[in-house]
Amino acid sequence: EPEVTQTPSHQVTQMGQEVILRCVPISNHLYFYWYRQILGQKVEFLVSFYNNEISEKSEIFDDQFSVERPDGSNFTLKIRSTKLEDSAMYFCASTQASNQPQHFGDGTRLSIL
Amino acid sequence: AQKVTQAQTEISVVEKEDVTLDCVYETRDTTYYLFWYKQPPSGELVFLIRRNSFDEQNEISGRYSWNFQKSTSSFNFTITASQVVDSAVYFCALSEVAGGTSYGKLTFGQGTILTVHP
Repeated sequence: EPEVTQTPSHQVTQMGQEVILRCVPISNHLYFYWYRQILGQKVEFLVSFYNNEISEKSEIFDDQFSVERPDGSNFTLKIRSTKLEDSAMYFCASTQASNQPQHFGDGTRLSIL
Repeated sequence: AQKVTQAQTEISVVEKEDVTLDCVYETRDTTYYLFWYKQPPSGELVFLIRRNSFDEQNEISGRYSWNFQKSTSSFNFTITASQVVDSAVYFCALSEVAGGTSYGKLTFGQGTILTVHP
């Protein structure tokens, strides 16, 4: 069964550094998402991406964040200047239609030192 | 704005007991979708079920069943004859179709930690 894959599984970065989290959604999916989960808390929506542009974003998704689909297969989340509070698990998800279940990757655990 | 509340933070049961996880939601839309996801200790999010707001039929899938009641804005999840492998965090989630347009954003509840003891 096709899967959403995320790399790396764990990223450790110094505060202030830029980080790029990578995702390969399921190939025939059209809607892409990033969520984050701070340890022990609920999963929070960051951004949705459709038709090569951001379709919706949350208050968390400020100017430090950006997303890109550079080559038709990868979907990346960039954090420009990381802060301690960016430490979390980041999940990528994709779906064929917006009312269909989203398929999640295994997540990237981001640790900011 | 949409909101999902899972009032039970943690539930602990002994194997073979039945357990119900509660989910209450708030939305101004008449069209929306409800989901349950499971997060086992390994951390991934596993889709369990989707229900649309026009379909109030209860659903059973093996040991799992779901009770959707629009009148009380609830979408509860019952595991019958629980097993140790059911131990996980369970999240209820809501997706609105605002004004006929939806990009599928999921709003999650806080999650319920279910521990099933042998």
